[in-house]
Amino acid sequence: DAEITQSPRHKITETGRQVTLACHQTWNHNNMFWYRQDLGHGLRLIHYSYGVQDTNKGEVSDGYSVSRSNTEDLPLTLESAASSQTSVYFCASSEQEGTEAFFGQGTRLTVV
Amino acid sequence: DQQVKQNSPSLSVQEGRISILNCDYTNSMFDYFLWYKKYPAEGPTFLISISSIKDKNEDGRFTVFLNKSAKHLSLHIVPSQPGDSAVYFCAASTAGGTSYGKLTFGQGTILTVHP
Repeated sequence: DAEITQSPRHKITETGRQVTLACHQTWNHNNMFWYRQDLGHGLRLIHYSYGVQDTNKGEVSDGYSVSRSNTEDLPLTLESAASSQTSVYFCASSEQEGTEAFFGQGTRLTVV
Repeated sequence: DQQVKQNSPSLSVQEGRISILNCDYTNSMFDYFLWYKKYPAEGPTFLISISSIKDKNEDGRFTVFLNKSAKHLSLHIVPSQPGDSAVYFCAASTAGGTSYGKLTFGQGTILTVHP
């Protein structure tokens, strides 16, 4: 079955370190997204991509970057981790002209 | 500015009764609305959606109602079951143009269904 997987599921890192969260999908979806979930805010869009070599900033993109070198993967990099980036991160994908996004299981990141 | 709002952080209902979850939005450009369900330690899963050209969409026990003039939508679950206990997120999108899959979420409502 096609799926979307995130790794690691849990990560603890120190302030100032660079961290990369992986996202891999086997649906062959062109559209991929990164969201963060925080209490009181729901899910907020960090970055998104509509295809290889395409990346776009979302609502809360400061301090994050993404790259899209193939259809399957959209890694999220925190350039210099800050305590404010402690959150649960979700990757999602959708079809070319689809609106329903399918989510991974999430990565809980703690910055100490 | 929160463009999609779920003003009830939590809702508690008895098994077999109706659950009604509410959502309000401010952006009149939104033309597609979705509900997601989320269990602890899992990702959100798509539940049901509605296009702005409709005012109702039904799927089994789940019905979503859209009132465009009031910028309000609601999710009805009938009858409610203990397995429905989860966090429910309302989301909105502009389905056309270059916004495919970009969702704006509400804060979520924790639904607890008591046996």
